[in-house]
Amino acid sequence: EADIYQTPRYLVIGTGKKITLECSQTMGHDKMYWYQQDPGMELHLIHYSYGVNSTEKGDLSSESTVSRIRTEHFPLTLESARPSHTSQYLCASGENEQFFGPGTRLTVL
Amino acid sequence: EDQVTQSPEALRLQEGESSSLNCSYTVSGLRGLFWYRQDPGKGPEFLFTLYSAGEEKEKERLKATLTKKESFLHITAPKPEDSATYLCAVQLNNAGNMLTFGGGTRLMVKP
Repeated sequence: EADIYQTPRYLVIGTGKKITLECSQTMGHDKMYWYQQDPGMELHLIHYSYGVNSTEKGDLSSESTVSRIRTEHFPLTLESARPSHTSQYLCASGENEQFFGPGTRLTVL
Repeated sequence: EDQVTQSPEALRLQEGESSSLNCSYTVSGLRGLFWYRQDPGKGPEFLFTLYSAGEEKEKERLKATLTKKESFLHITAPKPEDSATYLCAVQLNNAGNMLTFGGGTRLMVKP
């Protein structure tokens, strides 16, 4: 079954740690996206990719970085986590409509 | 500046009480308008895409319509399981496939 996966679902980590949020999709989409969403707030695009070795920053400035080495995989990395990074991170893929993963709830203490 | 505004922010309905959610937009060059449903702690679930004024799409108790200024999501005889946040998003002609989301309407349907 074609789907989009995110791991971990929940992560509680201390300040200064390096973290990587994983996102994988089995739908063969070239286009993938990362959004950030605080509770009760709008989704904001922080990164996107239109294919392998292509990454761009979104509308919302973010200290995170992304990579796209394989079509199905679009990980997001924070080199040094801070409490201000506490949020929900949502990955999506799609050529026109975007299909979302379940999200990673990140808490930085 | 491109804007997407959803109203109301929250809506409480009794089971069976039909209503409509609004998504108004002021953008330059609309390519498409998307509706999503989001349950707490989960990612948005795709519902509909609308491309041109006058277009309508239906799925179970939901019907989405589009005009040149706004879109409505009509909910007919809602059930408690329809409780969720409904998001609309616009895709612009000059912005590739990127979506700009509204703030959402939190719908609560009481039995």
